[in-house]
Amino acid sequence: GIQVEQSPPDLILQEGANSTLRCNFSDSVNNLQWFHQNPWGQLINLFYIPSGTKQNGRLSATTVATERYSLLYISSSQTTDSGVYFCAPTGGSGGYQKVTFGIGTKLQVIP
Amino acid sequence: GAGVSQSPRYKVAKRGRDVALRCDSISGHVTLYWYRQTLGQGSEVLTYSQSDAQRDKSGRPSGRFSAERPERSVSTLKIQRTEQGDSAVYLCASSLLKNTIYFGEGSWLTVV
Repeated sequence: GIQVEQSPPDLILQEGANSTLRCNFSDSVNNLQWFHQNPWGQLINLFYIPSGTKQNGRLSATTVATERYSLLYISSSQTTDSGVYFCAPTGGSGGYQKVTFGIGTKLQVIP
Repeated sequence: GAGVSQSPRYKVAKRGRDVALRCDSISGHVTLYWYRQTLGQGSEVLTYSQSDAQRDKSGRPSGRFSAERPERSVSTLKIQRTEQGDSAVYLCASSLLKNTIYFGEGSWLTVV
């Protein structure tokens, strides 16, 4: 299956700082999602981004599928950004997809 | 619109007992997944199904884990003879074909 590496594993930011989270994957993928798991355990989809760049408020993501990596940018971080960020590339054939998760980047934003 | 919902949210089970976790997925979604998430080990897929056909049982010892899909938007994950190592968050997710995957809030299982 697809191997996923996320870096850094842990990150502490001062409120207002910017950061970049990286996701490397080992094989070609059909799609890729970024998720945020808040401190209450809920997984929320941030981006569905098989290639290119997307922006949503203070967050943006870029996937370069040919080079097998994706980046998540967080600008002007807030304490509510704390939690774990998962990269989840998807691969498969026959019309359905199998999702593989990285172990995540644990982010703590301090005031 | 309703999202993916899971029940129970929290479950404590005595070691050796069987556990059933329920997932109500989004109406119309074709593919349904069960994942297990443990601290520091990320998530692993337990099983996924397209319509009512079980496709994959990769991951943990599949003999004790099974999923049933009695209705298109309902799935039950059954864990037989639970072990302490089964303590984890069990996540259900669903999607249309090749589309965004939506997750439930998870069922937190503790085996004592």
